[in-house]
Amino acid sequence: DGGITQSPKYLFRKEGQNVTLSCEQNLNHDAMYWYRQDPGQGLRLIYYSQIVNDFQKGDIAEGYSVSREKKESFPLTVTSAQKNPTAFYLCASSIGTGTVKNTGELFFGEGSRLTVL
Amino acid sequence: SQQGEEDPQALSIQEGENATMNCSYKTSINNLQWYRQNSGRGLVHLILIRSNEREKHSGRLRVTLDTSKKSSSLLITASRAADTASYFCATDGEGASGSRLTFGEGTQLTVNP
Repeated sequence: DGGITQSPKYLFRKEGQNVTLSCEQNLNHDAMYWYRQDPGQGLRLIYYSQIVNDFQKGDIAEGYSVSREKKESFPLTVTSAQKNPTAFYLCASSIGTGTVKNTGELFFGEGSRLTVL
Repeated sequence: SQQGEEDPQALSIQEGENATMNCSYKTSINNLQWYRQNSGRGLVHLILIRSNEREKHSGRLRVTLDTSKKSSSLLITASRAADTASYFCATDGEGASGSRLTFGEGTQLTVNP
């Protein structure tokens, strides 16, 4: 079945460590996104990529890094520079803007919950 | 920045009743979308309404859009316990690529059996 796979589902990190969250999609979507969700709140955009080998900062990019070397993959690294990384991280994809089929609808993974010890 | 704001923050109803959630936004949009999130899960797209549409239906869902008031409402009719979830509105900005959505803080709906 087509979809988005995030791993790991749960992750614990010690202060000062970098961690990488995986996001893979087999929907053949051009665009991919990373959102952060804090308890009882909405989603805030960290980074997004509209095409391979290109990505842009979202609203809260500080302390995070991404890469987009393959169309299917958009990993997120939470660096030690992120002051408050404990949160629920959601990856999403969409068809992309270069097609008339694009409605802007996002398809989400099941999320990764990161806890800093 | 959070463009959409949902109201109420939390809503508790009995099974069979209707649930109405509202969303207000600040800037002009191309379209507005509603998503659902079960606890601890990813979001699922429910319905999209374009800026030139005023009402749209999908099963038990009815969405309205008033661009003059910059607001939208989501009505779930004949609610079921399985409708218990958080509901988010999401908007894109007019003139933007359409690929970048801004989410509100959500309405937590509880449907009691």
